Amino acid sequence: GAVVSQHPSRVICKSGTSVKIECRSLDFQATTMFWYRQFPKQSLMLMATSNEGSKATYEQGVEKDKFLINHASLTLSTLTVTSAHPEDSSFYICSARTSRISTDTQYFGPGTRLTVL
Amino acid sequence: QKEVEQDPGPLSVPEGAIVSLNCTYSNSAFQYFMWYRQYSRKGPELLMYTYSSGNKEDGRFTAQVDKSSKYISLFIRDSQPSDSATYLCATIQGAQKLVFGQGTRLTINP
Repeated sequence: GAVVSQHPSRVICKSGTSVKIECRSLDFQATTMFWYRQFPKQSLMLMATSNEGSKATYEQGVEKDKFLINHASLTLSTLTVTSAHPEDSSFYICSARTSRISTDTQYFGPGTRLTVL
Repeated sequence: QKEVEQDPGPLSVPEGAIVSLNCTYSNSAFQYFMWYRQYSRKGPELLMYTYSSGNKEDGRFTAQVDKSSKYISLFIRDSQPSDSATYLCATIQGAQKLVFGQGTRLTINP
């Protein structure tokens, strides 16, 4: 089956620093990648959608200057949390899809737990 | 009103029991419905995928959609301790956005 990896799996950083999270599709080309955030005991909330080679589309309420997304290749997308603060502490999960067809399956990564002190 | 509503539980049942997990949704335009399983501190994995109304069966799992009442269900037969996880229902909104329910935390007791 399709495998999506994320790195790092856990990160602890000081307030004010920036953190980069990588999402890779290991055995398929991901035309579209998604970034989600999940707070404890809550559901996944879509943050942004990125198509390879295009600028990411952010959901309402998500600051694009704070959450920088780059999808430079068909197998790699990165999310950079800039000037992180404790309220950014969360579980960040990416997913990848082989096409832009909405009904195609999204394959999820294992998630990255970010803790901002 | 949330687009997809799901009772967060927790739900605890003995091994071998039939489990029923449910969600309701608000928009009658939704056509595609999914169930994901998420183990603790892991990403979700797709379990079942259905289109419009009806039932779909895959091994011990059955997904059911009732569009008239905007109700989706997942049944797990002969539940096993390894089924213990959080189960999320989801639908596709618009062009490509997945909208998830809150997730139901399920524990199967040996």
